[in-house]
Amino acid sequence: GQQLNQSPQSMFIQEGEDVSMNCTSSSIFNTWLWYKQDPGEGPVLLIALYKAGELTSNGRLTAQFGITRKDSFLNISASIPSDVGIYFCAGTSGTYKYIFGTGTRLKVLA
Amino acid sequence: DTGVSQNPRHKITKRGQNVTFRCDPISEHNRLYWYRQTLGQGPEFLTYFQNEAQLEKSRLLSDRFSAERPKGSFSTLEIQRTEQGDSAMYLCASSLATGDYGYTFGSGTRLTVV
Repeated sequence: GQQLNQSPQSMFIQEGEDVSMNCTSSSIFNTWLWYKQDPGEGPVLLIALYKAGELTSNGRLTAQFGITRKDSFLNISASIPSDVGIYFCAGTSGTYKYIFGTGTRLKVLA
Repeated sequence: DTGVSQNPRHKITKRGQNVTFRCDPISEHNRLYWYRQTLGQGPEFLTYFQNEAQLEKSRLLSDRFSAERPKGSFSTLEIQRTEQGDSAMYLCASSLATGDYGYTFGSGTRLTVV
């Protein structure tokens, strides 16, 4: 099935560092979501974006809806060990069926 | 409400056996979705219900797969004559029909076909 491209695929960072990741699509979306998934669990919604150019924060997380509507970005500031996990983007051009990205695996070194 | 509940959490079955998974969505959510996630990949859409009506099925959902939501509340996903390629995490999610379109996922059912 179709999956969105996420970059980087994985990253190791030191605790306290900022993290940036992005997600690109060949299609225009009207909603972007960012999820975090821990091993053996379902994805947990972090941030939802509904308008091109929108910048939304949730604690140390900030996400942006790209102005082309074909990309989105997630930043994590001052990373901590519990930030470890897999981050997925998801987009839709409708109202219910989301296409998910391939994931960015984050490992934080204390 | 404790969120989206899925049972069982893990299922190991022999090839050729039938399996059934259950999903209990958040009670006020009228939309319910099934996704499949294989190792190292993101979730892939399988099917979608609004209330009891199944409104879309992915071509990933072969004839061996069937999903129901008989009273617009819980849903079941059945796989008949399981194959090793069916091994995956099966995720259920629910949402409201209007407003915030973000899904709430359950913890998933991990299926292993041996």
